[in-house]
Amino acid sequence: KNQVEQSPQSLIILEGKNCTLQCNYTVSPFSNLRWYKQDTGRGPVSLTIMTFSENTKSNGRYTATLDADTKQSSLHITASQLSDSASYICVVMVGPNNGAKEGGGFKTIFGAGTRLFVKA
Amino acid sequence: DAGVTQSPTHLIKTRGQQVTLRCSPKSGHDTVSWYQQALGQGPQFIFQYYEEEERQRGNFPDRFSGHQFPNYSSELNVNALLLGDSALYLCASSLGGGSGANVLTFGAGSRLTVL
Repeated sequence: KNQVEQSPQSLIILEGKNCTLQCNYTVSPFSNLRWYKQDTGRGPVSLTIMTFSENTKSNGRYTATLDADTKQSSLHITASQLSDSASYICVVMVGPNNGAKEGGGFKTIFGAGTRLFVKA
Repeated sequence: DAGVTQSPTHLIKTRGQQVTLRCSPKSGHDTVSWYQQALGQGPQFIFQYYEEEERQRGNFPDRFSGHQFPNYSSELNVNALLLGDSALYLCASSLGGGSGANVLTFGAGSRLTVL
């Protein structure tokens, strides 16, 4: 069964501190992994996308890592700001499946997210 | 360049009623996916539309149906509403029928409350 699990479920840190969010997945076949940031009441916004061959990718203060062997990814946030308070969702794309319709055959598996609270 | 737009932003219905949610994809995108997100949970995939056809479907009952129009916009219809249907409904657009390399662009969502 394709699954994406995130930890911790929630996290509280002080402004200026660093933190790391974890994502473990069991999917097959793996296509790519993405981290999204979702502010309360808004839609998710993409932070990074990583394919099988990529180990690390940065986007400003966000750095994502991927270990395809252990099927783990992490999102590291440095020098946190109050505006970083949000849910961070790990999303794994599974596929393609043989014989799938053209352009299809991919499934998107969402983790439940980690709720980050940054306090002043 | 407009992103994904959804309407309405909020709505309240009672059990048994029907609801229609609307989505306009990002300019240049031709694929629309719908997700249901309960409070404190990750989005759950409902279905995906490409070339005006339902291409993939998640584990949702037939009460959930959809449509895609020639201009790529889409509707999500939910019949016989249940209390458990209360959630944020997200629309995401992409290009090429859900090719794995494409990033999903999400709308702000439609918050449905069923009383």
